[in-house]
Amino acid sequence: NAGVTQTPKFRILKIGQSMTLQCTQDMNHNYMYWYRQDPGMGLKLIYYSVGAGITDKGEVPNGYNVSRSTTEDFPLRLELAAPSQTSVYFCASSYVGNREDGYTFGSGTRLTVV
Amino acid sequence: AQTVTQSQPEMSVQEAETVTLSCTYDTSENNYYLFWYKQPPSRQMILVIRQEAYKQQNATENRFSVNFQKAAKSFSLKISDSQLGDTAMYFCAFMNNYGNEKLTFGTGTRLTIIP
Repeated sequence: NAGVTQTPKFRILKIGQSMTLQCTQDMNHNYMYWYRQDPGMGLKLIYYSVGAGITDKGEVPNGYNVSRSTTEDFPLRLELAAPSQTSVYFCASSYVGNREDGYTFGSGTRLTVV
Repeated sequence: AQTVTQSQPEMSVQEAETVTLSCTYDTSENNYYLFWYKQPPSRQMILVIRQEAYKQQNATENRFSVNFQKAAKSFSLKISDSQLGDTAMYFCAFMNNYGNEKLTFGTGTRLTIIP
């Protein structure tokens, strides 16, 4: 059971480039999330999804897009990368109604925009 | 919106000692969940302990326990007999017991266990 898998683990982008951060889970979780972690700032919610075909903005959505065509996959798209998007990105998932279990997190993607 | 505050950016303690990490939160809700997550240098987020607000008894998981003070909106984590492997960032997090299941995180406390 792989849990939540994120790729890549590290990436360097030039300003203005685009990329997609991949996230897949094999636990049949309904809910999936994208967070970014900046030093000293904790984790901030970018986007989340409550099921295939349904996505919604979190606290810091600007500069990002998501899609959820299947239960398993929840990719995060960065368009026109900016230095402010340098961060560590975490994907997570949870099973609806199992709030007490919290989230299962991926291992993160460290992104640097230069 | 809920907020979570961790007022101790960094702490250090000698191995085998006990340490307490503080967390306060703000909510108008009566039913919710609180969590402590550990993030070691590997960057992986690991659930340490959880507390349901309607349960008065403080949660305990081996060497980890919480002091949940609902009226004061306080949720501290106590680590007993601290070990070198406890060195990590610790995040306090809040989740409502209704609607979507978004977690709101504090800014974290960096804990160092000194040999």
